[in-house]
Amino acid sequence: DGGITQSPKYLFRKEGQNVTLSCEQNLNHDAMYWYRQDPGQGLRLIYYSQIVNDFQKGDIAEGYSVSREKKESFPLTVTSAQKNPTAFYLCASSIPGSSYNSPLHFGNGTRLTVT
Amino acid sequence: AQKVTQAQTEISVVEKEDVTLDCVYETRDTTYYLFWYKQPPSGELVFLIRRNSFDEQNEISGRYSWNFQKSTSSFNFTITASQVVDSAVYFCALSEARTSGSRLTFGEGTQLTVNP
Repeated sequence: DGGITQSPKYLFRKEGQNVTLSCEQNLNHDAMYWYRQDPGQGLRLIYYSQIVNDFQKGDIAEGYSVSREKKESFPLTVTSAQKNPTAFYLCASSIPGSSYNSPLHFGNGTRLTVT
Repeated sequence: AQKVTQAQTEISVVEKEDVTLDCVYETRDTTYYLFWYKQPPSGELVFLIRRNSFDEQNEISGRYSWNFQKSTSSFNFTITASQVVDSAVYFCALSEARTSGSRLTFGEGTQLTVNP
């Protein structure tokens, strides 16, 4: 079955360490997204990519970095510059990449805890 | 700027009750889409419905129905005869045509608990 796989489900890191969250999709979708979810808040967009080798900052990109070397993969690195990295991270994809009416397909998320 | 407000943070009902989740949005664009997503305890958001700004027809899908009113900038979601499996966080979201990509603005979500 096609879908989006995020790994790991739970991730623990010490403050000051960079950490990379994995996101893989086999839906053949052009666009991929990273959202952050905090308790009691909606989802906020970190980065998105509409095509391979191209990506754009979202609303809260500071302290994060991404790459899009393959259509199937869109890893997110949470750097030590991110002041409050503990959160639930959701990866999503959609087709076509430039259409505002495409529903997003989401992965199961990664819960990152930094102490 | 676009904004979505879900004023109800938490709602608790007893099974078989009807429940309405409110969603109010703000946008300066005349062309936009509205969405509802369900987030069960597993964490994955599940797409429920999409409605464009030119289609104000209400929609019914089984026990789910949606009421879109441009005059009040609202897109409310009703669950009829609620079931325990409906317990989840529900998000309303907005996407404007002038914004590149499927960039959704989400509301804060409503936690629905259906008790047996």
